[in-house]
Parts: sequence; C-alpha cells; structure tokens
Amino acid sequence: AQSVSQHNHHVILSEAASLELGCNYSYGGTVNLFWYVQYPGQHLQLLLKYFSGDPLVKGIKGFEAEFIKSKFSFNLRKPSVQWSDTAEYFCAVNARSNTGKLIFGQGTTLQVKP
Amino acid sequence: NAGVMQNPRHLVRRRGQEARLRCSPMKGHSHVYWYRQLPEEGLKFMVYLQKENIIDESGMPKERFSAEFPKEGPSILRIQQVVRGDSAAYFCASSPETAGNTIYFGEGSWLTVV
Repeated sequence: AQSVSQHNHHVILSEAASLELGCNYSYGGTVNLFWYVQYPGQHLQLLLKYFSGDPLVKGIKGFEAEFIKSKFSFNLRKPSVQWSDTAEYFCAVNARSNTGKLIFGQGTTLQVKP
Repeated sequence: NAGVMQNPRHLVRRRGQEARLRCSPMKGHSHVYWYRQLPEEGLKFMVYLQKENIIDESGMPKERFSAEFPKEGPSILRIQQVVRGDSAAYFCASSPETAGNTIYFGEGSWLTVV
C-alpha cells in the first residue's frame, strides 16, 4: 500500500532562515508527487508538483522540491523563509494511473518567527 | 474562473442529526473527490465520483456516509446520525477529465458535532 511520511511535524525558524522539509513515500510504481500548503483556516493550495522530466521542480512563492527516485524522496526547500510562510505543509503522492486519489503525509507545521 | 465551491463553510449539528455538505467543482471539471481532515491529522481520501457514478469509495466509512454527484447540481456528501467523531474538515476537490491533471481543493466545510 502507498504511504507518505513527513519527518518533521513541527518546525520553527526565524525569518531569512533556509527551509527543508522531508518527504518520503513508499510505492513500487510510477507516481506523481505534490506539495500543498494550508494557511490557517484556508483550503489547500498547490505549491508544486512533479509528474515527469526535470527532478528539480520550482513552484510558487520561491519554493522548490527535488525528486530523488532512488531515495523515494521529494523534499521541499526554500532558501529564505518569510513570516508569511507560516502554515501547514503537506506532501502527497498518487499512482500515475489514479489521478485524484492522493495519499497525504501527516503534515508539517511551519512557524516562522519575525 | 471560479474555484471549487463548498458550502456550508461551517456546520454545527447535534448528535444523531444529518449533515449535508455540498461541492460545486471548477468549471469544466467532471471529477470530484472528497477528503476528510481530522484534528491533528493529514487529509484522508474518502470517495471519487464522476457524474452519476461512484468510481472509488474505498475511503468511505461503511455506515452512515454516502456521496453522490448527480447529472445536474453539486456533489453531496451526506452523513447520517452524526457522532462527535465525525467532527472534522471535509474538503472537496475536482479535476478535469484528462488523466494526469492536478486536483484543486475547495475551502472546506468544517463540521462540528455537539
């Protein structure tokens, strides 16, 4: 069965610090990979996605993620966080043949101190 | 282009009552998905529907929960005889017909059972 694991449950950073959130998945087949962000009281917004091609994916708001197939990882990075990045971040995966049935990680709460 | 529309945003029900949550997909999207987010947890897939068809309901609780996506009108997630454990955020998402596309989430409906 597919599963997604996010290593950090709660991360606290100061503004301008660099961010890396870990995400590992388990699935034997071809997958699509996603990072979503959820600001307090709001819906999930897509940050970035990987379907195929260049494993280094750039998303909105300065975020990027790197797909490392050999490690089953899709870590999210941002060189310099801002207070407005305070939110919950979810990694998700689905089997290539099953478009909308996403398996989510448990989420990482990021708190950025001004 | 309006996003995925969910209503009500907040719903309070007493134990034993029925809850109905509605979801209108994005224009041009024919696939609808429902997810549930329990407190302190990630999102869990519940059901995947196309017009007049349930494609995958593997995440739906066996009892009291049902979903439909009629030919006309929004998709409905119905919870009968609600219990406190049903208190959660219920997110609807939609995608176009073409496989490999991203799903887009609505703002969620927060159900509180008192």
